[in-house]
Amino acid sequence: DQQVKQNSPSLSVQEGRISILNCDYTNSMFDYFLWYKKYPAEGPTFLISISSIKDKNEDGRFTVFLNKSAKHLSLHIVPSQPGDSAVYFCAASGILRNSGAGSYQLTFGKGTKLSVIP
Amino acid sequence: ETGVTQTPRHLVMGMTNKKSLKCEQHLGHNAMYWYKQSAKKPLELMFVYNFKEQTENNSVPSRFSPECPNSSHLFLHLHTLQPEDSALYLCASSQTKTSGQPQHFGDGTRLSIL
Repeated sequence: DQQVKQNSPSLSVQEGRISILNCDYTNSMFDYFLWYKKYPAEGPTFLISISSIKDKNEDGRFTVFLNKSAKHLSLHIVPSQPGDSAVYFCAASGILRNSGAGSYQLTFGKGTKLSVIP
Repeated sequence: ETGVTQTPRHLVMGMTNKKSLKCEQHLGHNAMYWYKQSAKKPLELMFVYNFKEQTENNSVPSRFSPECPNSSHLFLHLHTLQPEDSALYLCASSQTKTSGQPQHFGDGTRLSIL
């Protein structure tokens, strides 16, 4: 059963407009959420994160919003640029099942492929 | 220089072969991870090492055998794999293994089992 879901496999946005990538989760024990970006033939690259005690974190063109009551987070990219075209993964951090204290695991969504059209 | 380097980038092997994947990180991190990404599935954590000690094995079959000789190097030894083990294997590292620590990934090894 997927604990982190990215329901949109793909998204197309015009250059200069806002890109909004969504992520839903089921486990209320997750305490950090992270976004990664992945280009073809490369590993995922960390983009931005947010603690579960916050509702917004901003870094340049990237802003992540967290709605704990809805168990939903979103990544906003504005303005979108062609170089932002990549697969974006949402990940949630929580304690591994059946693990000792302090053993955290990142649980990933399946990713959303963003295409920014010039 | 890439922070996390994985070799080889591509590997094709038969089910009876034995091979090893290598990962090296140049970031001074203390925790290292192996992940598997199968087609149309999310990344799945396989193993966690912290200060060279294995702290987690996420119910991985014994045909995958990790080794961490020091905090900078991580290996994944493969033997008698099955076709369903064909996937992208990603190595990652982080400063510590506490929650919220961003993990830095290598570019992965694309493994194909014949």
